[in-house]
Amino acid sequence: DIVLTQSPALAVSLGQRATISCRASQSVSISRYNLMHWYQQKPGQQPKLLIYRASNLASGIPARFSGSGSGTDFTLTINPVQADDIATYYCQQSRESPRTFGAGTKLELK
Amino acid sequence: EVQLVESGGGLVQPGRSLKLSCAASGFTYSNYVMAWVRQAPTKGLEWVASISTGGGNTYYRDSVKGRFTISRDNAKNTLYLQIDSLRSEDTATYYCAKQDLYDYYFDYWGQGVMVTVSS
Repeated sequence: DIVLTQSPALAVSLGQRATISCRASQSVSISRYNLMHWYQQKPGQQPKLLIYRASNLASGIPARFSGSGSGTDFTLTINPVQADDIATYYCQQSRESPRTFGAGTKLELK
Repeated sequence: EVQLVESGGGLVQPGRSLKLSCAASGFTYSNYVMAWVRQAPTKGLEWVASISTGGGNTYYRDSVKGRFTISRDNAKNTLYLQIDSLRSEDTATYYCAKQDLYDYYFDYWGQGVMVTVSS
């Protein structure tokens, strides 16, 4: 299985930039397609798709969210961070089955 | 608006069975692959199973093969997950999710249904 590694937590101040990383145990890219996706989950709620294929913003997601990366290293950036962004963020790969998720990065206020 | 509404969860004794349902609306259900993803208390997300548009192809994570059965009724716009021989490690919130056809990400999720396995 492809293992995705995320830092457990990140503390950030409102209005600042947050950079959340995800590292895969092997490449999740096929040709020009980077099969890494990002989700946001707030306490007591279901996950919500933010970014698909590494850098594509999902429908209805604010432009302060962006994604980048290829191969094994990917980044979710939130700039500027707003109070509503306090949540846990998960990466997920779809290069191989089983589709695996990272353990999540909890975004906290500094 | 896409809506996925799960039902059928609850407290179940180890070794018993349970069938979860997910009612879908707001999209052409029969055109999409559907999936179940679970989340144990205070833990991360874990893909469990997926099913093709017509239901003829099913896919499971290794740890649930032989105990979980995913199925769908396209006439009723409903997804199911039959869970047999329940174990304590199956305790989790189970989410129904609509899966992208080509890149296998989950673009819409239900609110989840809790399954607790305990004697």
